[in-house]
Amino acid sequence: GESVGLHLPTLSVQEGDNSIINCAYSNSASDYFIWYKQESGKGPQFIIDIRSNMDKRQGQRVTVLLNKTVKHLSLQIAATQPGDSAVYFCAENLDTGNQFYFGTGTSLTVIP
Amino acid sequence: GAGVSQSPSNKVTEKGKDVELRCDPISGHTALYWYRQSLGQGLEFLIYFQGNSAPDKSGLPSDRFSAERTGGSVSTLTIQRTQQEDSAVYLCASSLLGRGDEKLFFGSGTQLSVL
Repeated sequence: GESVGLHLPTLSVQEGDNSIINCAYSNSASDYFIWYKQESGKGPQFIIDIRSNMDKRQGQRVTVLLNKTVKHLSLQIAATQPGDSAVYFCAENLDTGNQFYFGTGTSLTVIP
Repeated sequence: GAGVSQSPSNKVTEKGKDVELRCDPISGHTALYWYRQSLGQGLEFLIYFQGNSAPDKSGLPSDRFSAERTGGSVSTLTIQRTQQEDSAVYLCASSLLGRGDEKLFFGSGTQLSVL
């Protein structure tokens, strides 16, 4: 998982396995969440988003789960591929603040 | 343009010098953000511009940091009297905030190294 202020967590998975990356967000009033993928030397890229009125959202090979009770967000990547190796960040947004707050990130390494 | 463009991609400067970092957002995006990313860390919010509203400067770490956005498009982040702790990647993002699509689109960043 990840929390602001901690050293970067790491996750290693075998190619073809499913990956689960966790995020504990900070503000119970946050109503919009995004997962980003950042490859070395590049800016973060949008993966998938979810609003607080949803518990689950699916994309291509990715699923985001939101548990508002415990302020927890997870990203599931199916059939992980070497190209999925990157740092993954969750970001939360408060409707009134318009700022996005990012977690420290999780480094995913896919082992061929 | 097709994406958010930042320049320069790399900047090496001496302690005490001023630097300017440029961001060209996606055409039509009303919101523009600056973030700072230190090695192995998450993204630290610096400043946010939305349309003609006063910018949210609450994340600027000191008065040596300033930013402006001219004509609602290009933005410049200025760091005066740079210090070694300013070394980081500075990321710019833009979005269609307020038009039903709030996700941020990021540039590749400017790697700033203060010697």
